[in-house]
Amino acid sequence: GAVVSQHPSRVICKSGTSVKIECRSLDFQATTMFWYRQFPKKSLMLMATSNEGSKATYEQGVEKDKFLINHASLTLSTLTVTSAHPEDSSFYICSARDASGRASNEQFFGPGTRLTVL
Amino acid sequence: DAKTTQPPSMDCAEGRAANLPCNHSTISGNEYVYWYRQIHSQGPQYIIHGLKNNETNEMASLIITEDRKSSTLILPHATLRDTAVYYCIVRVNSGGSNYKLTFGKGTLLTVNP
Repeated sequence: GAVVSQHPSRVICKSGTSVKIECRSLDFQATTMFWYRQFPKKSLMLMATSNEGSKATYEQGVEKDKFLINHASLTLSTLTVTSAHPEDSSFYICSARDASGRASNEQFFGPGTRLTVL
Repeated sequence: DAKTTQPPSMDCAEGRAANLPCNHSTISGNEYVYWYRQIHSQGPQYIIHGLKNNETNEMASLIITEDRKSSTLILPHATLRDTAVYYCIVRVNSGGSNYKLTFGKGTLLTVNP
């Protein structure tokens, strides 16, 4: 149980285009999902916290108009990188918190999406 | 959340125990110690967490000092597949934005044959 999937696993796009990444909790409901970004040889940096049915909360320095987050259901959150540029190339990882509030292992991580902007 | 300090890298022989230290000298009374690991190009994987008492599960053991200022993650019989970056994170275990995880640089554990 507690599986989180991401789609696509890898995407290459041209500069200026928009890319949508999906994060799904497969066997549990997630009231809260988190989006992280990881540059090569760096640690994960939290971008935003997404709550089902409400607006996402962005971390300082993350442009909300560039990184659009939608959390329309308890099992799906999407991150859209708008007008992507080469500096947006990174490894994007989501995590989901089990709505049942299990005490152990509260956040489950997806496998990540490798974005390359040419 | 309290900051943590971990060695940047460690080596371990396959089959031996891997002991990964973490200092969290500014930890508050209501903050838990969490351990995650990240194998190259994958999402992080939860390992274990604890508050005061030592904890053990099928993956590892967590030893927390009595003053809670440091802890050690123990992989009892390391395998090559345990090669990963291990992150020690301290945070409160309550609601709202406190569920955020702040990742430091972690320890790159390399298990050698």
